[in-house]
Amino acid sequence: AQSVTQLDSQVPVFEEAPVELRCNYSSSVSVYLFWYVQYPNQGLQLLLKYLSGSTLVKSINGFEAEFNKSQTSFHLRKPSVHISDTAEYFCAVIPKGAAGNKLTFGGGTRVLVKP
Amino acid sequence: NAGVTQTPKFRILKIGQSMTLQCTQDMNHNYMYWYRQDPGMGLKLIYYSVGAGITDKGEVPNGYNVSRSTTEDFPLRLELAAPSQTSVYFCASSSWTVLNTEAFFGQGTRLTVV
Repeated sequence: AQSVTQLDSQVPVFEEAPVELRCNYSSSVSVYLFWYVQYPNQGLQLLLKYLSGSTLVKSINGFEAEFNKSQTSFHLRKPSVHISDTAEYFCAVIPKGAAGNKLTFGGGTRVLVKP
Repeated sequence: NAGVTQTPKFRILKIGQSMTLQCTQDMNHNYMYWYRQDPGMGLKLIYYSVGAGITDKGEVPNGYNVSRSTTEDFPLRLELAAPSQTSVYFCASSSWTVLNTEAFFGQGTRLTVV
């Protein structure tokens, strides 16, 4: 079985400041890793993912995440946040080769960007 | 592009009532999922399906039932609503191919059981 831990439930941050959201996972097999974002009263949208290759992955809106296999982590960062980044962010994993391709989610981190 | 459509968006149920949450997708995806979202708990998998006619339990299936008679539709049934089923429910779908390694989510159904 897999588990995902997001160490911070809430992160307040000022506009234009950097932010880091921490994600650690536990799995007996290799996994694919994802970050999803949920804006208020909406469904989840894929932000970025790591499947293989370069351990640093980037989104089109300035977020990046780095896969660290030895620390079983997939932390999400943005060097300068905007008000529009206010949302809840979920880290998730899928075990490679498992039937059903079921996502296991962390508890979420709520980011509140203050002006 | 409709994607994944869930109905209704909101519902209030009395204890013991039943209802069906509807989910339909127009992307011809094989995989479909039902999750519930509770504050601070992330999303928990209720049921999933890998294709028409095939369903299986997820992490929290008790009190729910599903069916998958077509590729497009994956309804979730609550037979005897309980306060513990107050939650936000999300349906998702994916094809999980080399070109598509992403799950697409609906807008959610907010259910309150009183």
